[in-house]
Amino acid sequence: EVQLVESGGGLVRPGGSLRLSCAASGFTFANYRMNWVRQAPGKGLEWVSSISSSSSTIYYADSIKGRFTIFRDNAKNLLYLQINSLRPEDTAVYYCARETERPWTFDFWGQGTMVTVSS
Amino acid sequence: DIQMTQSPSSLSASVGDRVTITCRASQSLSGYLNWYQQKTGKAPKLLIYAASSLQSGVPTRFSGSGSGTDFTLTISSLQPEDFATYYCLQTYSMPRTFGQGTRVEVK
Repeated sequence: EVQLVESGGGLVRPGGSLRLSCAASGFTFANYRMNWVRQAPGKGLEWVSSISSSSSTIYYADSIKGRFTIFRDNAKNLLYLQINSLRPEDTAVYYCARETERPWTFDFWGQGTMVTVSS
Repeated sequence: DIQMTQSPSSLSASVGDRVTITCRASQSLSGYLNWYQQKTGKAPKLLIYAASSLQSGVPTRFSGSGSGTDFTLTISSLQPEDFATYYCLQTYSMPRTFGQGTRVEVK
């Protein structure tokens, strides 16, 4: 069974940092592109970042570019999102999602981890 | 970046109704359009991929259609468990972009 389990969220002050993790199981993690998607309270879904299976290609949303870093450890089946210089508008549930190829789609999602940025 | 315009933003419907939600892209997606259902406090669930392919395990009352820039999600006969928010997602190019969502409420 495919499982994605996020962790690492919490309450952090503006300007602070967090590292989110997504533990994958039930599939060959190293074969899949992975994504982070966030959802602010009461708002819609926002794509944040994407990393290819070998980490060779990485993309970021303009809203977080320069502050967030996506990376992965295929040996440990882990996806990460390092988030720095946090702002109140980064408050959201952060989901990791697996992306299949041909056709490209986000087929499995984790349950999400909440990040709250507040003083 | 590709902009996704989803409509309506909300609708009220009754059990048994036929429901249609649309997404329009700012450029052609070559069919790389996906539909998700999200219930409160839960992760999104894939319903339709590649514009019209039904994800395994999804009831056949859900269907997708469209090509180019205009796409539609149809629920043929709304069931109580279908009251939720629906999103489209384009996976044609980076950055990936979602529609704004459509909340389906009880009439």
